[in-house]
Amino acid sequence: GDSVTQMEGPVTLSEEAFLTINCTYTATGYPSLFWYVQYPGEGLQLLLKATKADDKGSNKGFEATYRKETTSFHLEKGSVQVSDSAVYFCALTSTGKLIFGQGTTLQVKP
Amino acid sequence: ETGVTQSPTHLIKTRGQQVTLRCSSQSGHNTVSWYQQALGQGPQFIFQYYREEENGRGNFPPRFSGLQFPNYSSELNVNALELDDSALYLCASSLRSGRNTGELFFGEGSRLTVL
Repeated sequence: GDSVTQMEGPVTLSEEAFLTINCTYTATGYPSLFWYVQYPGEGLQLLLKATKADDKGSNKGFEATYRKETTSFHLEKGSVQVSDSAVYFCALTSTGKLIFGQGTTLQVKP
Repeated sequence: ETGVTQSPTHLIKTRGQQVTLRCSSQSGHNTVSWYQQALGQGPQFIFQYYREEENGRGNFPPRFSGLQFPNYSSELNVNALELDDSALYLCASSLRSGRNTGELFFGEGSRLTVL
């Protein structure tokens, strides 16, 4: 069945460092891909999405490109802030239900 | 625009009891999905409701059941609670139209503890 694999955390960075969180997927067909973020004490929020190969999703300085050849959707940000500390989930859907990775905790230190 | 609201936010039950969790969809949304998020894990799909009918189910036993009402609000019921049911239960709403791009709007969840 469809699945998502994320790099294990926690990831600890200093403020203004470059961020990459790896995400790979297995799916039949042509899924849409997402990154959701869960800030402490809050619900899941959609961060960005891409619906077809080579699409780039972007929001709040975060970017991810839908790479069909490598079945990947890595999350990147050029300069992280303390306020980016959260749990990040990669997810896919091709049938209307979301399949999530296990989540990667990001901690940014001042 | 009203977001997704869930109740209660926290509750404690004992093994064998039954629980009902409630969710109000975001205004204009006609589809509700429920997810279970165990501590340190990603959310797992329980089921989805569209137009008051179950429209897809994950790998959860029949003691997990749900309802969707004409106003698109929803309930999740869990019977015969087990310790492993302790988790954060997330409700998400969406607008089903054409190709489903999967953009869901989540509530903050109901944290269930089973003792």
